[in-house]
Amino acid sequence: EVQLVESGGGWVQPGGSLRLSCAASGVTLSNYWMSWVRQAPGKGPEWVANMNQDGGKKYFLASVKGRFTISRDNTKNSLYLQMNNLSADDTAVYYCTRDVQGDYLYYMDVWGKGTRVTVSS
Amino acid sequence: QSVLTQPPSASGTPGQRVTISCSGSRSNIGTNTVNWFQQLPGTAPKLLIYINNQRPSGVPDRFSGSKSGTSASLAISGLQSEDEADYYCAAWDDSLNGFYVFGTGTKVTVL
Repeated sequence: EVQLVESGGGWVQPGGSLRLSCAASGVTLSNYWMSWVRQAPGKGPEWVANMNQDGGKKYFLASVKGRFTISRDNTKNSLYLQMNNLSADDTAVYYCTRDVQGDYLYYMDVWGKGTRVTVSS
Repeated sequence: QSVLTQPPSASGTPGQRVTISCSGSRSNIGTNTVNWFQQLPGTAPKLLIYINNQRPSGVPDRFSGSKSGTSASLAISGLQSEDEADYYCAAWDDSLNGFYVFGTGTKVTVL
């Protein structure tokens, strides 16, 4: 069974930093594009960032560009999201997803259970 | 802010057919395939339909998807109580530098 388990969430003050991790089991992450998707309280999902198998291609939501960094360690079968200069607008549950990418297609077929990030003073 | 627009709510009685629309633009639905996600309360979104009309293993065939031009739709036929959930369309958008976008979401209520 494919499982993605996020960790690293918590409470942080505005301007602070957090590093989220996503550990995979039952799947070799190096074969897939991966994403981080967040969901603020009472809101719909919002894609944050993604990257391809070797890290050579990365895309970011405009509002996090320059503040968030996505990375992966294929030897550890893990994905990461470094979040800096956090604001209240970044408060959300953050999900790690395994993605399928091809010509004119992109979708998330496996989701973790999420880790909660709260930015508040 | 989402660029895929859905009706905020839809409802039906058990056994009825419910349809949810998703309106986009040339840079997203007009160019790329559409996916649908179902989110039950307190859980992560789950892939329901991919590449416009494909169902992952385990998804009942009462769920179907279609796409035409810059719009897509999800149909639930034979509505069941366990279908009460939030539904989101989604697609890759080629504008700016490229990003993935989710729809505004539709809450389906089984009356």
